[in-house]
Amino acid sequence: SQQGEEDPQALSIQEGENATMNCSYKTSINNLQWYRQNSGRGLVHLILIRSNEREKHSGRLRVTLDTSKKSSSLLITASRAADTASYFCATEKGGSEKLVFGKGTKLTVNP
Amino acid sequence: DGGITQSPKYLFRKEGQNVTLSCEQNLNHDAMYWYRQDPGQGLRLIYYSQIVNDFQKGDIAEGYSVSREKKESFPLTVTSAQKNPTAFYLCASKKGTANTGELFFGEGSRLTVL
Repeated sequence: SQQGEEDPQALSIQEGENATMNCSYKTSINNLQWYRQNSGRGLVHLILIRSNEREKHSGRLRVTLDTSKKSSSLLITASRAADTASYFCATEKGGSEKLVFGKGTKLTVNP
Repeated sequence: DGGITQSPKYLFRKEGQNVTLSCEQNLNHDAMYWYRQDPGQGLRLIYYSQIVNDFQKGDIAEGYSVSREKKESFPLTVTSAQKNPTAFYLCASKKGTANTGELFFGEGSRLTVL
């Protein structure tokens, strides 16, 4: 079963705007990760946030984690056409080697 | 350059045939994984291996088989028992066997059953 569920399923914005994607999960986790996938390609790791962290930044990316609400958000600031891709959250549970992925948010950034 | 290589990129199979997808990594990673991705869906775990000569079933192992004879290699066989094998298959690896760590993915293999 899929642990993380992203929202929205699809998002279309203009270049320069910010894009926010959300992820909800069901059980306690060790960490939550965000990945990016260009069409027809493999996934690329973006950022990992541990369960005891609340916010993390990497370049134009900002990730928040609220363990009380079992949710995370990924913010991409000043988006570019090259940010067009699908974005997945993945959760890693304690005692498990398995990383469980959500269905993803398809982001389109229009030039 | 270090990375994960999957081959072939595209594969066509007739019903009733077994096919093997290759996955090789030169990252010296201990753990390796196979995921399946269907259109508009997330990734579902097929099999994973944390150490040579050992592997575990994931969530959708039926109709698939794997081996881990070498640390660098984790081939996936899609057998004729897999009823709906048309999908995009992704191989990944992780540095250690501890819980925390990012996955490194190959570029995927797209299997189509004719």
